Amino acid sequence: EIVLTQSPGTLSLSPGERATLSCRASQSLPTSYLAWYQQKFGQSPRLLIYGASTRATGIPDRFGGSGSGTDFTLTISRLEPEDFAVYYCQQYGSSPPWTFGQGTRVEIK
Amino acid sequence: QLVESGGGLVQPGGSLRLSCTASGFTLSSYEMNWVRQAPGKGLEWVSYINSGTTIYYADSVKGRFTISRDDATNSLLLQMDSLRAEDTAVYYCARGWLRSDFWGQGTLVTVSS
Repeated sequence: EIVLTQSPGTLSLSPGERATLSCRASQSLPTSYLAWYQQKFGQSPRLLIYGASTRATGIPDRFGGSGSGTDFTLTISRLEPEDFAVYYCQQYGSSPPWTFGQGTRVEIK
Repeated sequence: QLVESGGGLVQPGGSLRLSCTASGFTLSSYEMNWVRQAPGKGLEWVSYINSGTTIYYADSVKGRFTISRDDATNSLLLQMDSLRAEDTAVYYCARGWLRSDFWGQGTLVTVSS
């Protein structure tokens, strides 16, 4: 089973600041097999990024994904008030289970 | 749109069947997943079915849960048997593999005596 480790657990930032979230895999992943999701309190997850770096439909360009192999990053260039949420990475390796990271909470400082 | 139903309170060892009804697209043409989230916890992938006959389960539910489709009602189903306290969670259906672009609102399953 591929384990995804997200860091930090909580990120305390102010609106307008840059957020950098990390997702590290226990085994190397094909680049196309990593996605990022945003979940706000009481809501369903929302797809942000797939293929490690491709923004989903309707996602603002302040969200960016990068990385390859075992190290992936989600960057929010300038935090808007609506961006404070929990972010999960998910891997779709060659075989299941298709695990999620434990999540990074981005909170208002 | 995806709408889940069928959640509720069930005793340990009991059964529930969840449904996820799709509108706006033909569910059988897509890969579909069930994902759950225990109270205050993160997301856990549970099960997958594709447009053919390929089905996968997480080890934690293998042998107890059964995923299927009902093409007549354009629905995804999850039959959950031998339920345990640790199965308590909000269950989401999600469309797609490599990118789950549509999610339902979730249905809460509580396993408790």
